[in-house]
Amino acid sequence: SQQGEEDPQALSIQEGENATMNCSYKTSINNLQWYRQNSGRGLVHLILIRSNEREKHSGRLRVTLDTSKKSSSLLITASRAADTASYFCATDKPPPGAGSYQLTFGKGTKLSVIP
Amino acid sequence: DARVTQTPRHKVTEMGQEVTMRCQPILGHNTVFWYRQTMMQGLELLAYFRNRAPLDDSGMPKDRFSAEMPDATLATLKIQPSEPRDSAVYFCASGLVQGGRNQPQHFGDGTRLSIL
Repeated sequence: SQQGEEDPQALSIQEGENATMNCSYKTSINNLQWYRQNSGRGLVHLILIRSNEREKHSGRLRVTLDTSKKSSSLLITASRAADTASYFCATDKPPPGAGSYQLTFGKGTKLSVIP
Repeated sequence: DARVTQTPRHKVTEMGQEVTMRCQPILGHNTVFWYRQTMMQGLELLAYFRNRAPLDDSGMPKDRFSAEMPDATLATLKIQPSEPRDSAVYFCASGLVQGGRNQPQHFGDGTRLSIL
């Protein structure tokens, strides 16, 4: 089954509003990453948060991680029409020795920002 | 900016034909991943390589799919024979595993495959 599950599946907001997307996962993780995908393009890495971190910022992005609840959230502040895309969370498992660096992706949240 | 390059971007062919997809990872990256994306299943990992050696291809139907890295600048994913259910977007991604820590993956723009 999918390790990461995003919520909501789709989100539509007005330009200037904040957008919050959530991700839940099932097993313990090494780190959690958020990616963005524009229509017809590949995924682009946004931010990585490690299991011992609780919050991380990058520009207008804020990511939180709650390992006790096995959940993460991505907040985009002051959204722009150009933020319209699908957003995915991805988790990797703690490396057993040499390390397993596979990522498991959720099915994504489709964000539409209306000008 | 360094980028992962995938060819072809689009491929339409009839079932039973062989399909070869190519990927040029970012120079210096030591890990290459192949993913398949569909509306129903989302993004699925098919195979991945570290330092050109296959580490895991458990996500790949072995009877018809094969993945190789003939050299550090080329990864290939082949389907033979192709079937309509293989229609999807196939992504290659590369990354750097360094000092025991995972780094972000860099994706190509994919090959959109349609099997008629």
